Amino acid sequence: NAGVTQTPKFQVLKTGQSMTLQCAQDMNHNSMYWYRQDPGMGLRLIYYSASEGTTDKGEVPNGYNVSRLNKREFSLRLESAAPSQTSVYFCASSEGNTIYFGEGSWLTVV
Amino acid sequence: GNSVTQMEGPVTLSEEAFLTINCTYTATGYPSLFWYVQYPGEGLQLLLKATKADDKGSNKGFEATYRKETTSFHLEKGSVQVSDSAVYFCALRPDSSYKLIFGSGTRLLVRP
Repeated sequence: NAGVTQTPKFQVLKTGQSMTLQCAQDMNHNSMYWYRQDPGMGLRLIYYSASEGTTDKGEVPNGYNVSRLNKREFSLRLESAAPSQTSVYFCASSEGNTIYFGEGSWLTVV
Repeated sequence: GNSVTQMEGPVTLSEEAFLTINCTYTATGYPSLFWYVQYPGEGLQLLLKATKADDKGSNKGFEATYRKETTSFHLEKGSVQVSDSAVYFCALRPDSSYKLIFGSGTRLLVRP
């Protein structure tokens, strides 16, 4: 079972470049999420989507945009990357009370 | 607001020692509570959960009891193994919310 799949796993960007992190889930879940993980800060919610066609801001949305393309896919876009966006990004999906995470995308902005 | 506070790590134990990782929370209503585990280089995996007061979640020898009177959800294991070395995250999901709020994580290192 694939579960939650995100790509790419590793990426190095220059300041000002743009990129999109892709996420897909095969569990037919309605809700999907993007989190970032930074040392000593746990996971912080960037954006979430309660269902297809809806998106809402989380704790740290600035500098990011999202698209819920369909029920399976939820992408995260950095329009103009900054060094402060160096982090590990996790996509997740949920139905009911349990959230399932992807394996993470390590992003470095230089 | 809603928040989760975990004990700071790292926690270093010898194999077969008893483990406690403290977690307390602030929330209105009746949140659901979770423990997630993250092994090096991997994503988070659900370890256990509890959805109402006095529920005990358990998995792989780990346990945690939802204590509303002390707003706590401490993680325990009677005898840790080297393979339990990982980062453990306590989290809550508020009533009627899609969001999951995490603590800052506690790194556990188990020595042979």
